[in-house]
Amino acid sequence: KNQVEQSPQSLIILEGKNCTLQCNYTVSPFSNLRWYKQDTGRGPVSLTIMTFSENTKSNGRYTATLDADTKQSSLHITASQLSDSASYICVVSGGSQGNLIFGKGTKLSVKP
Amino acid sequence: GAGVSQTPSNKVTEKGKYVELRCDPISGHTALYWYRQSLGQGPEFLIYFQGTGAADDSGLPNDRFFAVRPEGSVSTLKIQRTERGDSAVYLCASSLQGAWNTEAFFGQGTRLTVV
Repeated sequence: KNQVEQSPQSLIILEGKNCTLQCNYTVSPFSNLRWYKQDTGRGPVSLTIMTFSENTKSNGRYTATLDADTKQSSLHITASQLSDSASYICVVSGGSQGNLIFGKGTKLSVKP
Repeated sequence: GAGVSQTPSNKVTEKGKYVELRCDPISGHTALYWYRQSLGQGPEFLIYFQGTGAADDSGLPNDRFFAVRPEGSVSTLKIQRTERGDSAVYLCASSLQGAWNTEAFFGQGTRLTVV
């Protein structure tokens, strides 16, 4: 069964600190992996898209890694800001029809 | 348009009623997706259109749910005989081709509440 698992479920950190979110997937065939940020009451917004040949991709203070062999990805946030408080969702594209398979997300709270 | 637009933003309906949720994708995007998101959960796939046709409707929970995209642009998600369990945020996304190789952009969703 195609699944995307994320950990931790929730995380609280102090402003200025770094954090890393994890994503494990079992999706076949695999096409690409995305990290989305979803603010409360808003639709998800893409942070990064990575294909199987890419190991690392950065977008400002966000750095995503992908290990296609172990089927794991991480999202590292550097020097967190209050505005980083949101849900971060790992999404894998693939499967039989190429649709997007979502994880349940990690809810990040950044405190002053 | 500038982005994916969903209307209404909020819908409250009585149990047993019929509702329609509308999605206006980004102009030129051939792929359109519908997802349902319950509180505290990630979005759950419902249906995927490529052009006018439903390429994958395996996520529709039952025959009360139906979606159309007659001209390959605007899509309508239709829910018959609504139940309280249908309450959720319904998200629509579009992409230029298939989402497996291009960016998918999401609307802000329609919050459906069945009372």
